[in-house]
Amino acid sequence: EVQLVESGGGLVQPGGSLRLSCAASGFTVSSNYMSWVRQAPGKGLEWVSVIYNGGSTYYADSVKGRFTISRDNSKNTLYLQMNSLRAEDTAMYFCAKRYSGSYRYYMDVWGKGTTVTVSS
Amino acid sequence: VLTQSPATLSLSPGERATLSCRASEIVSTYLAWYQQKPGQAPRLLIFDASNRATGIPARFSGSGSGTEFTLTISSLEPEDFAVYYCQQSSNWPPITFGPGTRLDIK
Repeated sequence: EVQLVESGGGLVQPGGSLRLSCAASGFTVSSNYMSWVRQAPGKGLEWVSVIYNGGSTYYADSVKGRFTISRDNSKNTLYLQMNSLRAEDTAMYFCAKRYSGSYRYYMDVWGKGTTVTVSS
Repeated sequence: VLTQSPATLSLSPGERATLSCRASEIVSTYLAWYQQKPGQAPRLLIFDASNRATGIPARFSGSGSGTEFTLTISSLEPEDFAVYYCQQSSNWPPITFGPGTRLDIK
C-alpha cells in the first residue's frame, strides 16, 4: 500500500527550528516529485516546497531562505528543515506525492499531517 | 491567482452542486479539484480539468478551460459535504490553490 506518514511537529518558539519527516512506503521517494503543503488553522491550503526526482528544489516565497526540503534515499524519507520560524508558520504540514497519471503537477497521495505551532 | 465561488454552498442530499473556480490568467486545462473533510488530508478528485482520479465516483465531474472551471456533483451524497479546493498546474512552481468552497448540508 502506498502511504506517507509525517512526524516531527510540535511547539517551538519564534526564531526556533524544527525538522519534519515524511516516511514513505509502497513507492520510492527519490523516483517521484514530492511536496510539502501546509494549512494554517481554519485556513486553506498553501504549497510550501517541492523536490524533483532529479533533486531540484523550489520554495514558496513565504519560506524561501528559511526552509529546506531534502530526502534520504536509504530511508525512503522526505524532510523539511524549518529555521527562523514565525508565528505565521503555525499550521498542519502535509507531505504529498505527485500524481503519475498526468504530465502536470497534481498530488494524489497525502500523509495525515503533522502540526507545527510557533508560539512563545 | 485562483478565486472560488461561492465561498459557502448550502444544499440538501440528492441536489446538484455546482462549484466554480476562476484563474486570473489562462491555465489551459491544467487544473485539479480536491476534497477535504475535517481532520483529513485533501483527496484528489479531478485532474486536467475533467479527468476523474482513480476511485472517484462518477457523480463528480469537472469542466472548463482557460480561466473558468466548474466542479459538478450530480446528486449529493451525505459524504460529499466538505471543503473543495481547486489547484492550478499551468505555471509551476509555485503550485497555487484556490481559497476553497465549503459545501454544507442545508
